[in-house]
Amino acid sequence: SYVLTQPPSVSVAPGKTATITCGGNNIGDKSVHWYQQKPGQAPVAVVYDDSDRPSGIPERISGSNSGNTATLTISRVEAGDEADYFCQVWDSDGDQHYVFGTGTKVTVL
Amino acid sequence: QVQLVQSGAEVKKPGASVKVSCKAFDYTFTGHSIIWVRQAPGQGLEWMGWISGYNGNTNYAQKLQGRVTMATDTSTSTAYMELRSLRSDDTAVYYCARAARHVDPYFDYWGQGTLVTVSS
Repeated sequence: SYVLTQPPSVSVAPGKTATITCGGNNIGDKSVHWYQQKPGQAPVAVVYDDSDRPSGIPERISGSNSGNTATLTISRVEAGDEADYFCQVWDSDGDQHYVFGTGTKVTVL
Repeated sequence: QVQLVQSGAEVKKPGASVKVSCKAFDYTFTGHSIIWVRQAPGQGLEWMGWISGYNGNTNYAQKLQGRVTMATDTSTSTAYMELRSLRSDDTAVYYCARAARHVDPYFDYWGQGTLVTVSS
């Protein structure tokens, strides 16, 4: 089955840039979606189709995808960005199921 | 606005079954699939399966095959997930979420989550 690997944690100072990676075999051939989850809350989509943002998501949050790595970038980080972030793809080659990454905890210093 | 409202927390004994509901508001229920995802304490998101809101077709995660059943009631715009033969490692928050589109969807609306605790 398809595996998505993320770093367990990323720490960033306010105003700086946080970069979260999501590694998978030829992930560049897939559409990658990203979710933000704050403690005690349900996930919220922040990027879909590699780099599109749902309405209401600030332009500070952006995504890219190429080769074996997809990346979520949060610019001008704010305290409110502290959360867990998960990438997600559709594994169309396997059992046609959905795969989530292992998750990255973003800590704002 | 679009909402998914789930049933309340459950406490079950090992070997029992649990059924979680997910009622949809303010969109055409038959136009979107619903997925179920669970999250064990302190862990990541695990996809459990999806069900078509249009025709009730399902696709379950292999590790849950034989223990999970998903269903819909289009008359009440409600999706259901039943998990049987519960074990302690089924303790988790269970979420339903709406697929934003038919092909390679992302999940644009989520329920509030339902905590299922399995304990003797």
